[in-house]
Amino acid sequence: GAVVSQHPSRVICKSGTSVKIECRSLDFQATTMFWYRQFPKQSLMLMATSNEGSKATYEQGVEKDKFLINHASLTLSTLTVTSAHPEDSSFYICSASLGQVSYNSPLHFGNGTRLTVT
Amino acid sequence: AQSVAQPEDQVNVAEGNPLTVKCTYSVSGNPYLFWYVQYPNRGLQFLLKYITGDNLVKGSYGFEAEFNKSQTSFHLKKPSALVSDSALYFCAVRAGGYNKLIFGAGTRLAVHP
Repeated sequence: GAVVSQHPSRVICKSGTSVKIECRSLDFQATTMFWYRQFPKQSLMLMATSNEGSKATYEQGVEKDKFLINHASLTLSTLTVTSAHPEDSSFYICSASLGQVSYNSPLHFGNGTRLTVT
Repeated sequence: AQSVAQPEDQVNVAEGNPLTVKCTYSVSGNPYLFWYVQYPNRGLQFLLKYITGDNLVKGSYGFEAEFNKSQTSFHLKKPSALVSDSALYFCAVRAGGYNKLIFGAGTRLAVHP
């Protein structure tokens, strides 16, 4: 089945540094990938939609300069948390749709990245 | 506005008993509904979806869900719960443009031996 790989699974960084998270579709091409953020014991919040070869579409309230998204190829999207602060600590999850995104296509999720900023 | 509600934070059930995890939705137009499961420190796994057709949808790991248009509900069910079913379950609706998946708050299912 479709597999989405996310790396790293866990990262600890110092405040003020930047962290890059990779999301790869392993056995399919993902024109569109999605980045979610999940707070403890809360639901997933869509941060942005990552489109291959074009700029990401950010949800309202998400700082595009802080959360840089690059979708350089059909199998790779990256999320860079710039100048991280403790409040950026969270669980970040990427997802992709097999083939063209449509109403009836489920999303396939990576295993998530737990970011801790000290 | 499109929304999904999961009224229960946690559901407790004994192993072998039937389980139900509730979900109600509010959408304009036809609903496209999904259930996902999340194990600790993992991403979400797709369980099943309702797009059109039969109201009873069968999915992975013996789970099924019943779409009820009049009650705007899409409850997840399983006839006989397993301890390994213990996880966090999310109901979701696709809305507001096909690329937005709106999740409910999640329901933690605890199956006791």
